[in-house]
Parts: sequence; C-alpha cells; structure tokens
Amino acid sequence: ETGVTQTPRHLVMGMTNKKSLKCEQHLGHNAMYWYKQSAKKPLELMFVYNFKEQTENNSVPSRFSPECPNSSHLFLHLHTLQPEDSALYLCASSQDFPPGDSPLHFGNGTRLTVT
Amino acid sequence: ILNVEQSPQSLHVQEGDSTNFTCSFPSSNFYALHWYRWETAKSPEALFVMTLNGDEKKKGRISATLNTKEGYSYLYIKGSQPEDSATYLCASLSNSGYALNFGKGTSLLVTP
Repeated sequence: ETGVTQTPRHLVMGMTNKKSLKCEQHLGHNAMYWYKQSAKKPLELMFVYNFKEQTENNSVPSRFSPECPNSSHLFLHLHTLQPEDSALYLCASSQDFPPGDSPLHFGNGTRLTVT
Repeated sequence: ILNVEQSPQSLHVQEGDSTNFTCSFPSSNFYALHWYRWETAKSPEALFVMTLNGDEKKKGRISATLNTKEGYSYLYIKGSQPEDSATYLCASLSNSGYALNFGKGTSLLVTP
C-alpha cells in the first residue's frame, strides 16, 4: 500500500483514441504531480496542482490535459497522442509545495504505449 | 553544473560488498536534496531528504552525506544485499524554484 494509487497500470492506445489516467492519494497531501519517464531520460515534471489549483504547466503539449477535482484525485486526459508519447507516467503527492522538506510519494505508474 | 548528474550510470557488485555513488547538483540557491530508491515494478520510495550542508543521514545499511557548497551528495550502502538492487535517484530543489530536478539515476545490481 503506497498511499498513491494509479490506474491503469498498462495502457495501449491508438493515435486517435481518447483515454484518461487516474491517480488517487490517501495521505492527506496538498500537492499532486504528473511526471513522465522516458527511456534514458530523467523524470520530467509535467503538471503540479497545489490545493486543487494548477500551479505549473511545464510546457506540456495540449494533447495532455490534467484535471484535479479535489485534493485527493488527479487525472491526465490523453487525446491524439503521438508514438513518442509512449512512456511511463507517474503520479506523486507531497505534503507541501514546493516539496522542499517533504518527500514525494509516488504511485506505481502507468506504462503507456501509443500505436 | 546546471543539471543533476549521477554517477556511475550503473553498478554491479557482489553480495557483501560496500558501495557508493555520487549525485552532483547546482550549488547556487540550493534548498533541498532528495534520494529515492526505485525497485523494478514498484514505485520510487523516498530514502532521505537533506537540506543542511554537512548533513548525514542513515537508514539501516544505507547512509547519505551532503555538501551544499560544492554541490554533491554521496549515497553509501554497507554490505550490499540482493534486495538493494534498484535504481537510486537523486533530485535537487533550489530556493528559487518549485520543482525537484531529477538525475537519471544509478542502477545497482547486487548478485549473490
């Protein structure tokens, strides 16, 4: 039990599909994040929500659309993705934002393949 | 240094060996340094968060040190065990930024 749950674990989608990734945290944290992990690259921050408000959009293409209906849930809506978007997408949460002294708590990730 | 750099990229040791690896990060406007362990098919797990120059933290056989003036941190594993096999990530945060800046990680394999 990590405290941060992501679904689905694996997703294969075509370039014209629309899908959503879901993240839920049971830790009472105030900040939630979407990270992207591509092969041989460091974790890249995509979006941050602090107290349900989007704080940063790290120059992410509009085909990725985040949604944070409350401080415990975070979604990443996907549409018209490209094959190069295939990657591991990790959700994380932290008590404080910026994290500073607060460690990030990660979910297990969604392995996305775009065909 | 503008980015977080970790070395070596990968490491293979025998059970019982002690090992260490390095994280280099921008020393200007430093605020915090995080270490995470990421086992295959699991989520990254926080090991240490350090903020003060000279900080030393320990958890079991794993310890870490921090030098904020020169911009590096060492992670040490004493008497490595196969269950220590994982990728170890470090990330730094500046006091002018909002996001942790991650390195590519050091992949450790410990064989019996």
